[in-house]
Amino acid sequence: EVQLVESGGGLIQPGGSLRLSCAASGFTFSTTWVHWVRQTPGKGLVWLSRVNPQGDSTTYADSVKGRFTISRDNAKNTVYLQLNSLRAEDTALYYCAREASLGGWYFDLWGRGTRVTVSS
Amino acid sequence: DIQMTQSPSSLSASVGDRVTITCRASQYIGGFLNWYQQKPGKAPKLLIWSASHLQSGVPPRFSGSESGTDYTLTISSLQPEDFATYFCQQSFTTPRTFGPGTKVDIK
Repeated sequence: EVQLVESGGGLIQPGGSLRLSCAASGFTFSTTWVHWVRQTPGKGLVWLSRVNPQGDSTTYADSVKGRFTISRDNAKNTVYLQLNSLRAEDTALYYCAREASLGGWYFDLWGRGTRVTVSS
Repeated sequence: DIQMTQSPSSLSASVGDRVTITCRASQYIGGFLNWYQQKPGKAPKLLIWSASHLQSGVPPRFSGSESGTDYTLTISSLQPEDFATYFCQQSFTTPRTFGPGTKVDIK
């Protein structure tokens, strides 16, 4: 089955760290860009970061630059998002998404999300 | 960053109605505009990519169009399963940005 499955979320205190994982299956993972997007009721869908197929090019939203790190292990078909110095405003549902690039760029496959709650 | 706005923010409609949702970009995005549908507790689902291309498996009652920096999603005849929230998203540049969403509910 073609899918992305996120894991690693949970309840964490402010200032803490988490590592989110996005495990892919059913498609050629090593040729795809993967992005992380988070969602909250107040701010909606917010793009966070992306990594290229080789894992040597990354981009971040200004709001998380320097705190979050995206990486991938193509041997494990997994993308990671390391979340450091977490703040209450990082509380959200975190999705990973595959970005297709045929005729444009679009998120054609999403995981179900993993919830991060930052609270003392 | 490119700002995306949507109108209306919500609408009430009946089964069989024609529904139109508009998305506007704060600057030129070259047709790189995607539409997603999201139901409660589910991930977004791609409907339309690059303004007007119907994603595989999506019913043809969904269509998209472009006029300058304005983009439109049309549902020609609303079905019970279409009650959801719809988001636009630009992929012209990073950061990728999304509209705030349009919630379609039952009249």
